[in-house]
Amino acid sequence: KAGVTQTPRYLIKTRGQQVTLSCSPISGHRSVSWYQQTPGQGLQFLFEYFSETQRNKGNFPGRFSGRQFSNSRSEMNVSTLELGDSALYLCASSTEGVNTEAFFGQGTRLTVV
Amino acid sequence: SQKIEQNSEALNIQEGKTATLTCNYTNYSPAYLQWYRQDPGRGPVFLLLIRENEKEKRKERLKVTFDTTLKQSLFHITASQPADSATYLCALPNTGGFKTIFGAGTRLFVKA
Repeated sequence: KAGVTQTPRYLIKTRGQQVTLSCSPISGHRSVSWYQQTPGQGLQFLFEYFSETQRNKGNFPGRFSGRQFSNSRSEMNVSTLELGDSALYLCASSTEGVNTEAFFGQGTRLTVV
Repeated sequence: SQKIEQNSEALNIQEGKTATLTCNYTNYSPAYLQWYRQDPGRGPVFLLLIRENEKEKRKERLKVTFDTTLKQSLFHITASQPADSATYLCALPNTGGFKTIFGAGTRLFVKA
């Protein structure tokens, strides 16, 4: 069974640009969550999707958005990038979202210069 | 607000000893608690889940306890090995649902 796949693995963007990250969950998993991880802040919850619906959202500005497609694949978008957006972005999939273990992808390392 | 605290200082132990990591939480009564392992540059990997009605859970050299009165979980690695060196995260579902909150993690170094 293939694991969670995140693309791209590494990305360098300039301030003010926008970026789209992709996550393909494990087959059969309908819940996808996104996290931002920085050395000082740890794993910070961005949002969670289940069957194309956003069920919960973290405390991030509106520049951070996401969506989920009918095949459960998910994308997150960050517009007007700031230096502080440099981080490891992790996607996790699970069967139902809360009461089960989360399977994480390798992450996308975003560097904003 | 709900808060999870893990010892932010790294834990250094000798190979063969038992490592004990602590996870405390406040303003919260979670139905379960999870522990994950994370290696540098990689996503966390699930290790164990313990429910509120379980006092202890074991998996090979790992043992987790869950004290809902103290609002604390302890994570033990017995007969530790250098390969156990990693960051260990505890995680809880938030009260509102559909969201898992992670602690900042504790970095473990096991010396040969």
